[in-house]
Amino acid sequence: AQSVTQLDSQVPVFEEAPVELRCNYSSSVSVYLFWYVQYPNQGLQLLLKYLSGSTLVKGINGFEAEFNKSQTSFHLRKPSVHISDTAEYFCAVSETGSQGNLIFGKGTKLSVKP
Amino acid sequence: EAGVAQSPRYKIIEKRQSVAFWCNPISGHATLYWYQQILGQGPKLLIQFQNNGVVDDSQLPKDRFSAERLKGVDSTLKIQPAKLEDSAVYLCASSPGLAGLFRNEQFFGPGTRLTVL
Repeated sequence: AQSVTQLDSQVPVFEEAPVELRCNYSSSVSVYLFWYVQYPNQGLQLLLKYLSGSTLVKGINGFEAEFNKSQTSFHLRKPSVHISDTAEYFCAVSETGSQGNLIFGKGTKLSVKP
Repeated sequence: EAGVAQSPRYKIIEKRQSVAFWCNPISGHATLYWYQQILGQGPKLLIQFQNNGVVDDSQLPKDRFSAERLKGVDSTLKIQPAKLEDSAVYLCASSPGLAGLFRNEQFFGPGTRLTVL
C-alpha cells in the first residue's frame, strides 16, 4: 500500500530565508507525485507535480521540487520565502495506472516570520 | 472561470442527526471527488465519480455515508446518522479529464467544516 510521510509538522522560517519541506513516500510501483498548498479556510491549490521526465520540477510562486527515486523522496524548496507563503503544504502520491486516487501526507505548516 | 463551489461553508449538528453537503464542480469537468480532512491530517478520498458513475468508493463508510451525482454535474454527500468522529472538513474537487489521467489537475473547493457535538 502507498503511504506518504511529511517529516516536519511545522517549519518556522524568517522572511527571505530558504526553506525545504521534506516528503518521503512508500510504494511498490511507479508513482506520480504532487505538492499542494492550503491557505487558511481555503481549498487546496496545486503547486507542482512530477509525472515523468526531468526530476527537477518547477511550480508556481517560485517553488520547486526534486524527485529522488532511490531515496523515495520529493522535497519541496524555495530559495527565498515571503510572508504570503505562510500556509499548510501537503505532499501527495498516486500510483501510475490507478484511477487517480491521491494519498496525502499529514501536511507541514510553514510559518514565515518578518 | 468559476471555481468549485461548496455549501454550506460551516455546519454544526448534534450526533445522530443527518447532514448534507453540496458541490458544484467547474463547468465541463468529468471527474468529481469528495475528500474528508480531519484536523491535523491530510485529505482522504471518500468517493470518486466520473460523470454520474462511481469510480471508487472503497473508503466511504457506506453504513452512514452516501453520495450521488445526478446528471453528471452537481453532487451531494450525506451523513446519516452523524458521529462525533465525523467532525472534519469535507472537500470537493473536480478534474476535466477522465479518472486516472494525471495531466488533468484536480481543482478543490473551499470545503465544508462540519462540527458534530
